[in-house]
Amino acid sequence: AQKVTQAQTEISVVEKEDVTLDCVYETRDTTYYLFWYKQPPSGELVFLIRRNSFDEQNEISGRYSWNFQKSTSSFNFTITASQVVDSAVYFCALSLRGNAGKSTFGDGTTLTVKP
Amino acid sequence: GAGVSQSPSNKVTEKGKDVELRCDPISGHTALYWYRQSLGQGLEFLIYFQGNSAPDKSGLPSDRFSAERTGGSVSTLTIQRTQQEDSAVYLCASGAGFTDTQYFGPGTRLTVL
Repeated sequence: AQKVTQAQTEISVVEKEDVTLDCVYETRDTTYYLFWYKQPPSGELVFLIRRNSFDEQNEISGRYSWNFQKSTSSFNFTITASQVVDSAVYFCALSLRGNAGKSTFGDGTTLTVKP
Repeated sequence: GAGVSQSPSNKVTEKGKDVELRCDPISGHTALYWYRQSLGQGLEFLIYFQGNSAPDKSGLPSDRFSAERTGGSVSTLTIQRTQQEDSAVYLCASGAGFTDTQYFGPGTRLTVL
């Protein structure tokens, strides 16, 4: 069985601070996909990134960056120079080869960015 | 283009009644998923449709839950004899293929009194 753990239930930072959201996963499969989603107060989940298990290259997209380390089964997400609009619940998810959509989600981390 | 839409956005029902929740996926997407999100929790997979294949129902919590997808497009999730523990946000997602990224709808918030 697969498992995704987001140990940080809630994080609060002040605007312009950097913040890292942790994600640790468990699976016996060698081929899998990892995802991050953002769920703002409006409620609609927004896809942020997908990474497959064979690609450990870190990725940067604007103020967002992701650090994938298979050795520690982690896929952490960093927001640089946080903004109030980054306030949301962030979910990490894992899917296995053959069904990227049947995902196992973590319980989410609620990020609050204060002005 | 239009994203995934769901209706109703909110549904309040009495315990024991049946409810139907609708999902309109992105046009052309062959994969469709239903998830349930209870208050303060992550998403729980319910059911998955891919093209004309038999749906993967492995996540349905009981036989009171069922889903259909007509014409490979619109899907309806039906909950019979609703219970208070069914109260949650029901999210639908679609994708271009079963290995593709999912795009989520806004959800239906179900409250069972």
